Amino acid sequence: GNSVTQMEGPVTLSEEAFLTINCTYTATGYPSLFWYVQYPGEGLQLLLKATKADDKGSNKGFEATYRKETTSFHLEKGSVQVSDSAVYFCALDQAGTALIFGKGTTLSVSS
Amino acid sequence: DVKVTQSSRYLVKRTGEKVFLECVQDMDHENMFWYRQDPGLGLRLIYFSYDVKMKEKGDIPEGYSVSREKKERFSLILESASTNQTSMYLCASIGPRPDEQYFGPGTRLTVT
Repeated sequence: GNSVTQMEGPVTLSEEAFLTINCTYTATGYPSLFWYVQYPGEGLQLLLKATKADDKGSNKGFEATYRKETTSFHLEKGSVQVSDSAVYFCALDQAGTALIFGKGTTLSVSS
Repeated sequence: DVKVTQSSRYLVKRTGEKVFLECVQDMDHENMFWYRQDPGLGLRLIYFSYDVKMKEKGDIPEGYSVSREKKERFSLILESASTNQTSMYLCASIGPRPDEQYFGPGTRLTVT
């Protein structure tokens, strides 16, 4: 079945460091891919998305490129801020069915 | 502004109680979902509904039921709460486009 695997956390970085959170997926066909963010005490927010191969999703300085050949959708940011501290979830959605989530990666950024 | 609201942010119930968690969306979406979120396990799908009075089991439906009498409201029911149902419960409403996905703020349920 479809599944999402993302790197284990927690990830601890200093402010202005480069961030990569790895995400790979298993799916038949061509799913849409998403990154969600959950700030402390809040619900999930859609951070960015990509709906087809080679698409790059971007938002708030975060980027992720849909790589069909490696079945990956890694999240990157060039310079993290303390306010980026949150839990990040990679997810896929195939043909409008329910989202399938990875287990989440906790990011902690210190000043 | 689009909205998914959940009836409670925090809830404490006793073992054996019947618990109702309600979710309301104002976007006229047909698809609504209930997930539970646990540390190290991510979000797991409990039930979902594609239309009024329709429901489908997700990955972990045991111990839960749902009700969708109106399009905007999707209720999760714990028939007899148990301590292993202590968790964060998230409701989602999803539209026809890939970016039309909205989550409620979550209900943190503690069963003692």
